[in-house]
Amino acid sequence: GEEVAQTPKHLVRGEGQKAKLYCAPIKGHSYVFWYQQVLKNEFKFLISFQNENVFDETGMPKERFSAKCLPNSPCSLEIQATKLEDSAVYFCASSQLQGQPQHFGDGTRLSIL
Amino acid sequence: SQQGEEDPQALSIQEGENATMNCSYKTSINNLQWYRQNSGRGLVHLILIRSNEREKHSGRLRVTLDTSKKSSSLLITASRAADTASYFCATPDSSYKLIFGSGTRLLVRP
Repeated sequence: GEEVAQTPKHLVRGEGQKAKLYCAPIKGHSYVFWYQQVLKNEFKFLISFQNENVFDETGMPKERFSAKCLPNSPCSLEIQATKLEDSAVYFCASSQLQGQPQHFGDGTRLSIL
Repeated sequence: SQQGEEDPQALSIQEGENATMNCSYKTSINNLQWYRQNSGRGLVHLILIRSNEREKHSGRLRVTLDTSKKSSSLLITASRAADTASYFCATPDSSYKLIFGSGTRLLVRP
């Protein structure tokens, strides 16, 4: 498609539960990025992929966060044993080439109760 | 981590006025990008300026870049109520992830 599609729009989980977010990048885009936005301002990078390979995972809290981008499937970001501090909006973005503008989805708002 | 600061943090202007927001960054860059975020939506790319460019225009947008001061500015001329949004500058680092500024919230009053 021509837009980055993220599902679900909203996700509510109790503390300690698992959360899984999905992202369909724009067709033909080789790079996928996940960012976390807290307090409507700060964007924190989590992980990026070049096709199905992890490109940069320096932002991932590795104990509980994992992500995949498999061929012919939406990319996913999974959080195990969620904590209150995981409440945020998670954005997925894709780009065709390195360093070029990224196209963002509308995000998944994750609320941990 | 944040690339740098944007100022002002918030800006309220009347429709028709110009809006200027500034961004500072910390490291050397290949390019600097400006994005808009409407409430509840994702970021939309507005304009990209390369490190060897000093000024760039796109419609009502004008971006300047001063690499010696590590700063950039975004000017929106003849603002409209629809320009109400948050604006972020961002630079790609060596692994192409975007490092964002802290953002400016713009309110354009009809």
